[in-house]
Amino acid sequence: IAGITQAPTSQILAAGRRMTLRCTQDMRHNAMYWYRQDLGLGLRLIHYSNTAGTTGKGEVPDGYSVSRANTDDFPLTLASAVPSQTSVYFCASRRLAGGTDTQYFGPGTRLTVL
Amino acid sequence: DQQVKQNSPSLSVQEGRISILNCDYTNSMFDYFLWYKKYPAEGPTFLISISSIKDKNEDGRFTVFLNKSAKHLSLHIVPSQPGDSAVYFCAASEGNTPLVFGKGTRLSVIA
Repeated sequence: IAGITQAPTSQILAAGRRMTLRCTQDMRHNAMYWYRQDLGLGLRLIHYSNTAGTTGKGEVPDGYSVSRANTDDFPLTLASAVPSQTSVYFCASRRLAGGTDTQYFGPGTRLTVL
Repeated sequence: DQQVKQNSPSLSVQEGRISILNCDYTNSMFDYFLWYKKYPAEGPTFLISISSIKDKNEDGRFTVFLNKSAKHLSLHIVPSQPGDSAVYFCAASEGNTPLVFGKGTRLSVIA
């Protein structure tokens, strides 16, 4: 089934550790996104990539980095995790073609930083 | 500064009645609007969208209305069903810019 996969499903991490959340899509969408969802704050954009080889900062980029080496993969790295990064992380993708294309989300990664 | 606002954190509706979820935005350059539905422990799923050149889009029980002069859109669900109980997010974009999401409204449909 075509779509977006994320790994791991959930993770408990000690503060100060490095962690990479994986995201892969098989729809050949050119744009990919990382959001975090926190209670009462909705979905906030962390980083995005409009095409392979380019990335941009979203609303809450501090403490996170991304790379886009190819069309399908868009990993999110926490270089040194802190408890405030405890959240549910969603990866999404979208085919940019005039701005009227649907954005699809992965199932999410629940991250707890202790 | 929130560009997309959902001012009602929660809404309760009787089964069979109409659910109306509201969303306001501040950026007049937004030209595409979407509604997403989210169940617990799942990713958001696309529900319905509308382009700024239209004022209404209907898909089965779901209708989205856009009032550009008021910078307001709404999602109507008729009739509401218990399976519609979820968090609903409004989102907007300008061209190919990333979607901006509201904080969500939790809909509870009571049987």
